[in-house]
Amino acid sequence: AQTVTQSQPEMSVQEAETVTLSCTYDTSESDYYLFWYKQPPSRQMILVIRQEAYKQQNATENRFSVNFQKAAKSFSLKISDSQLGDAAMYFCAYRSARRNTPLVFGKGTRLSVIA
Amino acid sequence: NAGVTQTPKFQVLKTGQSMTLQCAQDMNHEYMSWYRQDPGMGLRLIHYSVGAGITDQGEVPNGYNVSRSTTEDFPLRLLSAAPSQTSVYFCASRRTRGLYEQYFGPGTRLTVT
Repeated sequence: AQTVTQSQPEMSVQEAETVTLSCTYDTSESDYYLFWYKQPPSRQMILVIRQEAYKQQNATENRFSVNFQKAAKSFSLKISDSQLGDAAMYFCAYRSARRNTPLVFGKGTRLSVIA
Repeated sequence: NAGVTQTPKFQVLKTGQSMTLQCAQDMNHEYMSWYRQDPGMGLRLIHYSVGAGITDQGEVPNGYNVSRSTTEDFPLRLLSAAPSQTSVYFCASRRTRGLYEQYFGPGTRLTVT
């Protein structure tokens, strides 16, 4: 079974600085999708960024970017120019590209932003 | 377009009681799923469905029951609540394949005393 590991339960960053959240995953498949979700105190799950495994280019969404290393099975999230509103739980998730497969989550990283 | 809706938002049950958490989506998604979120555990899959009449178990299915009679609705039933089922429950839906976003409901916080 696929597993997703987030090795940093908590992290903190100064406002306007850059922080990187780590994620590794285990799979024997070659075609899959990777996601980062944000969960603020409101509890709502918000998609931050997504990546297809067969695309070499790292995905970017405004201040959020990923470093996707397929051989190392690593998918880290970089947040640039951190803002107070970035404080949240961040979950890394994996899904096989095969039809009807579930989304598998890591345990999450709680990010604090210090003013 | 309401997306994924869940009711209730909060619920307190006594041990042994039963209840149904409701979930509905209006995006015509075939795939729907239920997760539970516990501190330090991330989101763990309970059950999922790939279409009306089709359901399957996830990682933590014990004590829960589901059915899918329509594309829109995917209720989760707790047959005899236990304190170990105290958690936050999320319903989600998406298209069945492709790099499509999985949409989540607002969650239900359930406490079993």
